[in-house]
Amino acid sequence: KAGVTQTPRYLIKTRGQQVTLSCSPISGHRSVSWYQQTPGQGLQFLFEYFSETQRNKGNFPGRFSGRQFSNSRSEMNVSTLELGDSALYLCASSTGLAGGLNEQFFGPGTRLTVL
Amino acid sequence: AQTVTQSQPEMSVQEAETVTLSCTYDTSESDYYLFWYKQPPSRQMILVIRQEAYKQQNATENRFSVNFQKAAKSFSLKISDSQLGDAAMYFCAYRRVGYALNFGKGTSLLVTP
Repeated sequence: KAGVTQTPRYLIKTRGQQVTLSCSPISGHRSVSWYQQTPGQGLQFLFEYFSETQRNKGNFPGRFSGRQFSNSRSEMNVSTLELGDSALYLCASSTGLAGGLNEQFFGPGTRLTVL
Repeated sequence: AQTVTQSQPEMSVQEAETVTLSCTYDTSESDYYLFWYKQPPSRQMILVIRQEAYKQQNATENRFSVNFQKAAKSFSLKISDSQLGDAAMYFCAYRRVGYALNFGKGTSLLVTP
């Protein structure tokens, strides 16, 4: 079974632009969660989608948004990019909602650099 | 808000030796889950071990085991017979039931031959 895939793997943008990151979960997984990883703040939860509905949201500004499609694939969008948005964005999928003991399987991440 | 603290930014261990990584957390909940994740240099995060708070017995997965002290809010990871492939960042994570993972800042483990 293929693992969680994220595209693109690397991305360079300039301040003010917007970006869309994509995540394809493991087949059969209905939950997709997004995390931002930076050296200073560590791993921070962005949001979780389950069956096309946002179930949980972290403490990020409205410039960060996401969605999930009927095939469970998810996209994350960041508008009006700031230098501080430079990070590794990780996507994780699980069979059920991520709030329990369900194991979350992580993708390799998308490295976003904002210049 | 729940916080997870990993007080050791870096640790080093020799091959075949045992190392313990520390983790403490702050919560007022009685029902929650705890996890240790490993992130090798390739960046793909992997679940190492997990523990349900209501279970007294410490979880074990092959060479990996935890020491879960609920009253002390401590959740340390012991790696026995360390191998070169164990070198990675290790993250302790807490999850309140129904909520997302809350990660510590991580411990970088170096394994020397």
